[in-house]
Amino acid sequence: EVQLVESGGGLVQPGGSLRLSCAASGFTFSSYEMNWVRQAPGKGLEWVSYISSSGSTIYYADSVKGRFTISRDNAKNSLYLQMNSLRAEDTAVYYCARDGRFDPWGQGTLVTVSS
Amino acid sequence: AIQMTQSPSSLSASVGDRVTITCRASQGIRNDLGWYQQKPGKAPKLLIYAASSLQSGVPSRFSGSGSGTDFTLTISSLQPEDFATYYCLQDYNYPVTFGPGTKVDIK
Repeated sequence: EVQLVESGGGLVQPGGSLRLSCAASGFTFSSYEMNWVRQAPGKGLEWVSYISSSGSTIYYADSVKGRFTISRDNAKNSLYLQMNSLRAEDTAVYYCARDGRFDPWGQGTLVTVSS
Repeated sequence: AIQMTQSPSSLSASVGDRVTITCRASQGIRNDLGWYQQKPGKAPKLLIYAASSLQSGVPSRFSGSGSGTDFTLTISSLQPEDFATYYCLQDYNYPVTFGPGTKVDIK
């Protein structure tokens, strides 16, 4: 079964950092592009970042550029999102999703930025 | 960035109704559009990709159409499990962009 499982969310103060992980199983992770998408409480979906299968191509939403870093470890079947200089508006459930079809999605991990 | 709009933003319907949701892109995106269903507290689920291709395992009452800038998701006969929020997504180029969503609830 193809599965994505996020972890690493939690409560962090403004200006703080957090690292999210997404563990993949049931497919050849190294062959697939990956994305991070977030959803603020009661709001719609917002794409955050993309990484190619090899990690050589990366894109970010303007809202996180310069603060967030996407990476992957194909040997560990894992995707990461390093989030620095966090702001209240970064509060959201963060999902990882596979390739350009965004299928499947993980269950999400909640990041709360608050003092 | 390509802007995506959806209409309506919400609708009330009854079981058995035919439901149509529209998504419009601010520029042509060929058929690079997907539709997703999200239920409260759950992750989104892919229903339709490439504008009109039904994802494996998705009931055939869901269908998609359109190309260029105008797209439609149709549910031919609404079932109780279909009450949810539906999003379109353009994957024509990055940054990919989602529509604002259409909430379908019970009349």
